[in-house]
Amino acid sequence: DARVTQTPRDKVTEMGQEVTMRCQPILGHNTVFWYRQTMMQGLELLAYFRNRAPLDDSGMPKDRFSAEMPDATLATLKIQPSEPRDSAVYFCASGFGWSYGYTFGSGTRLTVV
Amino acid sequence: EDKVVQSPLSLVVHEGDTVTLNCSYEVTNFRSLLWYKQEKKAPTFLFMLTSSGIEKKSGRLSSILDKKELFSILNITATQTGDSAIYLCAKNTGNQFYFGTGTSLTVIP
Repeated sequence: DARVTQTPRDKVTEMGQEVTMRCQPILGHNTVFWYRQTMMQGLELLAYFRNRAPLDDSGMPKDRFSAEMPDATLATLKIQPSEPRDSAVYFCASGFGWSYGYTFGSGTRLTVV
Repeated sequence: EDKVVQSPLSLVVHEGDTVTLNCSYEVTNFRSLLWYKQEKKAPTFLFMLTSSGIEKKSGRLSSILDKKELFSILNITATQTGDSAIYLCAKNTGNQFYFGTGTSLTVIP
């Protein structure tokens, strides 16, 4: 089965440290999303890319977050410096356009202490 | 690897029709099952289900969980064009969420 791979699975870091999360989308998918889940139900969109170009990153705190797609097989989400309020599960999902289903990765659980 | 399978993958209906979306999951470490509606941006939370057989309802949408057969359904009655979206379900194990790939629903006027 094709899958979206996210690394690391879990990350515990100290406040002020840089954190990089990685996502390998499914080969052939041209749309990649980064989400953050902080509460039981809600998913917050941080950024998304179409054909590697960032289309919307308005959900991201620009002063500390950055998202890139250096190539079609890798998307990164970086936080520098990290803060305790960044503690959450970060999901990456990939798909092909808006009209089709998406495949979610397993998420990276980030804890900033 | 935990699997969440949604069906159908896509669906096209006329306004006023009733639709049923399906979500099946593996039993491992199950805590709850969540339904979301995704239009353009982040998915919007619809329901969280933890107990079998208890229907949750919100307007024209309702959902129920069957923990014996390991599935959930999302019903939408009297569909409207504004219901067009991708509907996602996710299984929560307590420290992980596993998402299905979604059902794409298109409602034609």
